[in-house]
Formats: sequence, C-alpha cells, structure tokens
Amino acid sequence: DAKTTQPTSMDCAEGRAANLPCNHSTISGNEYVYWYRQIHSQGPQYIIHGLKNNETNEMASLIITEDRKSSTLILPHATLRDTAVYYCIVSNTGKLIFGQGTTLQVKP
Amino acid sequence: DTEVTQTPKHLVMGMTNKKSLKCEQHMGHRAMYWYKQKAKKPPELMFVYSYEKLSINESVPSRFSPECPNSSLLNLHLHALQPEDSALYLCASSQDGGYGDSPLHFGNGTRLTVT
Repeated sequence: DAKTTQPTSMDCAEGRAANLPCNHSTISGNEYVYWYRQIHSQGPQYIIHGLKNNETNEMASLIITEDRKSSTLILPHATLRDTAVYYCIVSNTGKLIFGQGTTLQVKP
Repeated sequence: DTEVTQTPKHLVMGMTNKKSLKCEQHMGHRAMYWYKQKAKKPPELMFVYSYEKLSINESVPSRFSPECPNSSLLNLHLHALQPEDSALYLCASSQDGGYGDSPLHFGNGTRLTVT
C-alpha cells in the first residue's frame, strides 16, 4: 500500500472550513484514498473515500488532484466536536495501514 | 454509538491469566479485523478474517490467538501476556475484505491493562 504524508497538526477556527492536506505521490491506479478520524478514547470513524473523482457526503468533501498524487479533506463548518486526529490512508485491499495522521484542533 | 460492539470495554489481567476479547457486528459484513493501538500511536493491524478464514496475520506473537466462530463474531484469546501488551484493542468490519471500495467500521475498543 502507498505511503501518505500529512502535517502533524493544524488549527482551525470554529465555524470556518478546515482543509486537511495529504500527499500520496506513489499511489497506484487502483488504490482508493480513505479518510478516518479518531476522537480521544474512541475507535476510528470512517469519513469518506474516493478513487478519482471528488466526493461529498454529509460529513465532508474529498478533493483528489487530477494526477491523484494528493488530496484534501474539507470539513465545511468545523465545530469543537471535530477536534480529532485525522488519518489519510491509501489502499486497494481491506488492509488499512495507519500513518501518524494530522491532529486538528478546532478553537472557539 | 457504533455498529461494531466490543466487550468488555476495560480489562485488567495478570500475566498468567487467560482472557478473551469479543467483537460483534450485524451489518452482514464478511471481513473482520483486529488492530492494536498504543497510547499516542496510530492503530496497527494484527489480523484479518475474510469469509471466516484467517487471511492476514501481521506476525503477531502466539500469545494472541484470534477466532472467528461465524461471520458476525470475532474473538481474540489472550494468554501469558506481557505488560507491554497493554493497549487499546480495536475490532473492525467491512463488507468485503478483498477489495478497496469497502470502508472499515470500527468499534470503540477494549482497553487492556496487563499487570
């Protein structure tokens, strides 16, 4: 599975959009981009995933560049409850390998 | 609340004890997973079951023994653990363990302390 690179930490003001970047320059053609988050003392929560096209659901939007070497997770209106570690993972199997993730701190 | 239920939520055991962690899902998923997470670290994959057969063992020590009695249940049997095995043990399931378009759904884990 391809490796991903994410910033260690980010801050976002409450009510503003949070844009979390992820680099995956060695991604192969059949690998999906997955985003999960983990709030303290809970299990990881699935957010969204995509292959080539941009995706949107009730939680977030996923923007994948045309060359698929990077992606951005967008939380449109961040709340304090969105404070968590966000993991970007690329995989074409059920085997998800977690990196260090980005700690997002949403501030009032 | 999650659709993957793990019991117990907390477990304290001695190094000579035998205990089991249990995981249950009723989403009709055919793949189930065990992950281990140490404090302030990302989850690490331990085992994958696909269609009730063990498909991946990430070189886990034999003191951890997984079991998948049926497609809804996953157990992790623990024996002769060491204090360094203290961690959050996470169970997950996915609709299909063989393809990429199948997100994992995680439980909230069992926090294990080995004394």
